[in-house]
Amino acid sequence: EIVLTQSPGTLSLSPGERATLSCRASESVSSSYLAWYQQKPGQAPRLLIYGAFIRGTGIPDRFSGSGSGTDFTLTISRLEPEDIAVYYCQQYGSSPRTFGQGTKVEIK
Amino acid sequence: QVQLVQSGAEVKKPGASVKISCKASGYTFTTYYMNWVRQAPGQGLEWMGIINPSSGTTSYAQKFQGRVTMTRDTSTSTVYLDVSSLRSDDTAVYYCARSGDYYNWFDPWGQGTLVTVSS
Repeated sequence: EIVLTQSPGTLSLSPGERATLSCRASESVSSSYLAWYQQKPGQAPRLLIYGAFIRGTGIPDRFSGSGSGTDFTLTISRLEPEDIAVYYCQQYGSSPRTFGQGTKVEIK
Repeated sequence: QVQLVQSGAEVKKPGASVKISCKASGYTFTTYYMNWVRQAPGQGLEWMGIINPSSGTTSYAQKFQGRVTMTRDTSTSTVYLDVSSLRSDDTAVYYCARSGDYYNWFDPWGQGTLVTVSS
């Protein structure tokens, strides 16, 4: 099973700052089958990014994804108050599909 | 618009079974796969398995083999998750989530169903 390790555990930033979230895989993720999800308190996860860098429908362009192989990054270029959430990476290229443990983004 | 609407919260005793439903609308039910993911209180996301609504073929995460059954009813565009021999650590929110293929991202997700296992 591919283990995904996210860092940092918590990110505290001011509005307008850049957020950089990391996701490292225990082995190469095939065909960049890597997605990012946003989960706000009390809500279901929402797809942000798939294929490592492709934004989902309606996702603002301040969200971007990059990386390949075992190292992936989600960047929020200018943090907005509504971006407060937990962010999860997921690999969907092998079974079982696995998720990282999440990075919590807080407003300072 | 595409929507996944799940059944309501459940409270069960240890050893019992629970069956959760996920009704799909806004797309052709048999052309997309459906996954089940659970989230224990304050914890992360855990994939349980996937069903092909067209054929009924399933694939379960090894951890849940023998204790989980996924089925579908094409006449009502509904998928079901049956979990047996419930334990307290099965207390979680259970989500259904659509994927476009067997190996594909999840979008959208249902609103979640809280299952509480308590004596």
